[in-house]
Parts: sequence; structure tokens; C-alpha cells
Amino acid sequence: DAGVIQSPRHEVTEMGQEVTLRCKPISGHNSLFWYRQTMMRGLELLIYFNNNVPIDDSGMPEDRFSAKMPNASFSTLKIQPSEPRDSAVYFCASSLRLGLNYNEQFFGPGTRLTVL
Amino acid sequence: GNSVTQMEGPVTLSEEAFLTINCTYTATGYPSLFWYVQYPGEGLQLLLKATKADDKGSNKGFEATYRKETTSFHLEKGSVQVSDSAVYFCALINFGNEKLTFGTGTRLTIIP
Repeated sequence: DAGVIQSPRHEVTEMGQEVTLRCKPISGHNSLFWYRQTMMRGLELLIYFNNNVPIDDSGMPEDRFSAKMPNASFSTLKIQPSEPRDSAVYFCASSLRLGLNYNEQFFGPGTRLTVL
Repeated sequence: GNSVTQMEGPVTLSEEAFLTINCTYTATGYPSLFWYVQYPGEGLQLLLKATKADDKGSNKGFEATYRKETTSFHLEKGSVQVSDSAVYFCALINFGNEKLTFGTGTRLTIIP
């Protein structure tokens, strides 16, 4: 398996522009997570889906952020409009949830976003 | 709520030195505990885990023991290598949940 795939790997944009980050989870996995990593705040969970349904979006910073999962093999995280404080590395992770036991989350390589 | 407190970094050691990275936690119930590693330019990878008190997780020469009495899960390795240079994250999860709670991470640099 190719692992979790994220695109783009790097994105540089100007303040006010729309940014779309993409994620393809591991085939067969049914949970998908979006994280943000910064020096100041560390690693934060933004939102996660199970069977394509958003389960917890309490970590989404504000209305400028939105996430979708239209099918089991694709998810997007959109920021509109972007601001310099959104600059961070955004990770997507996926796992196979079976019952109540924890199953390992596999992380993608991340998208480094710079908003000028 | 849940929280994880990790040893402040960065940590710099010579090759073959003994490593300890401290981790303590606060959680309700009986969480599972994890160490994740992040190599430069990559995403996080699960290094080891322990799901109940007194369990010892181990992988690639690293070990950590789930200590319920001290709410700790310290990471140790007897002889580190340059290739161990990375950022290490302690994390926990409550049974039945999918949300990992991460510590702030500890950057480890091993010099030859």
C-alpha cells in the first residue's frame, strides 16, 4: 500500500486566498483525521471522520476552516480566506476502526502551508 | 480532561548514550499509552504502545512501561544511534475513543 497520500506537499499563498489541502487515506481504512502542527501549539486535532461522517470538529479553529469527505478515498481541508497565522504543517491520518479498541493511526507526510 | 506532559527539549546525546524521555499523563479511566516518532520531513509513526498497567511496549530497542501508580510512560533506550535523531511524542487515548491526546514533543539529536 502507498500509505496516506497528501497533496500538495508544500503550498505558499498570499493572505486572503483560498487554500485546499487534499488527502487520500489508506485503502480500507474507515477513519480519517486532520491535524495541524505548529511550534507554538504543537500537534492539534482539527476534525475527524468515521465512515465519511464528521464525528468531532471541535478542533476546527473558526469558520474559515472547513473539511469534507465525499467518499471513502478522499478528503479535503479548505481554508478561506487564509491568514498568516494559518501557516503550519497539516497532517492527514487514517485508521481502521473495528469495535471499541484503538487501532493505529497512520500519518501522511504532511502539507507545509505558508501564508504570506 | 486528558493531558500529556513531556520532558522539555531539545535533548542532545552522544552516540551509544542512554536515553530517557519523561512522560506523565492525566486521564479519566484507563487510557492506552503511546510513543510516536517523527523523522525530519515526515509524518508521525507509531513507535510503541501499552494498553494496560504494567505493560511494557518495545520496538527498535526502545522501551516504555505503563506505570499507573505514577501515571508515567517514560521512553528509554540503552544505546542511541545517530539514526534515532527525531522528535518523539507521548500520547494517550481513552478506551472507545478515537481522539489521541499528544504531548508537545521532544526533539532528540544524537551526535557521532
